[in-house]
Amino acid sequence: DAGITQSPRHKVTETGTPVTLRCHQTENHRYMYWYRQDPGHGLRLIHYSYGVKDTDKGEVSDGYSVSRSKTEDFLLTLESATSSQTSVYFCATGEVYNEQFFGPGTRLTVL
Amino acid sequence: QKEVEQNSGPLSVPEGAIASLNCTYSDRGSQSFFWYRQYSGKSPELIMFIYSNGDKEDGRFTAQLNKASQYVSLLIRDSQPSDSATYLCAVNRGRTGANNLFFGTGTRLTVIP
Repeated sequence: DAGITQSPRHKVTETGTPVTLRCHQTENHRYMYWYRQDPGHGLRLIHYSYGVKDTDKGEVSDGYSVSRSKTEDFLLTLESATSSQTSVYFCATGEVYNEQFFGPGTRLTVL
Repeated sequence: QKEVEQNSGPLSVPEGAIASLNCTYSDRGSQSFFWYRQYSGKSPELIMFIYSNGDKEDGRFTAQLNKASQYVSLLIRDSQPSDSATYLCAVNRGRTGANNLFFGTGTRLTVIP
């Protein structure tokens, strides 16, 4: 698991509220990723970071923003949560052309 | 056409048999290929990766890559009940330095004791 933690592990929130998920790594990996996993869709990339303050969009970035102010932390923010953002969110870290290591996941429910 | 396609299964094999998991991908320029295992309620964990055409063996696992056919497979020999999980195929198109992976939806494998 490459020393990756995610917080919170479970969260229930209401439509329209902002939500921030945190990913913390101790491996000093350059790249960090946020995925969501939904039945029938598999893992889909939301945003990724290739360095401090360097981020880019993934496949399903609408409604999400990210920030990386330190190598070890990567934050995912849902500005105004919607029911379609109910999902399991995984953070991953890695280096170029090597495998990605996944965190334990956060189960988010938006009512 | 999806980037990465897998048969969702479930695939059931008896204990001790060979399990064969298959994956096709759409981008002919894809450069590296990964197999992850995911137990129910857990995060994906890497089993193995392959870059070159042919076979790559690691213990009971063998990955096979055929770039001409855009096909990658995973063979699990001497399957054990503990191998029961969902297996995810992932492909790196290699167009950026960020190692962006595209995942299939996974094949659920059940090994019957």
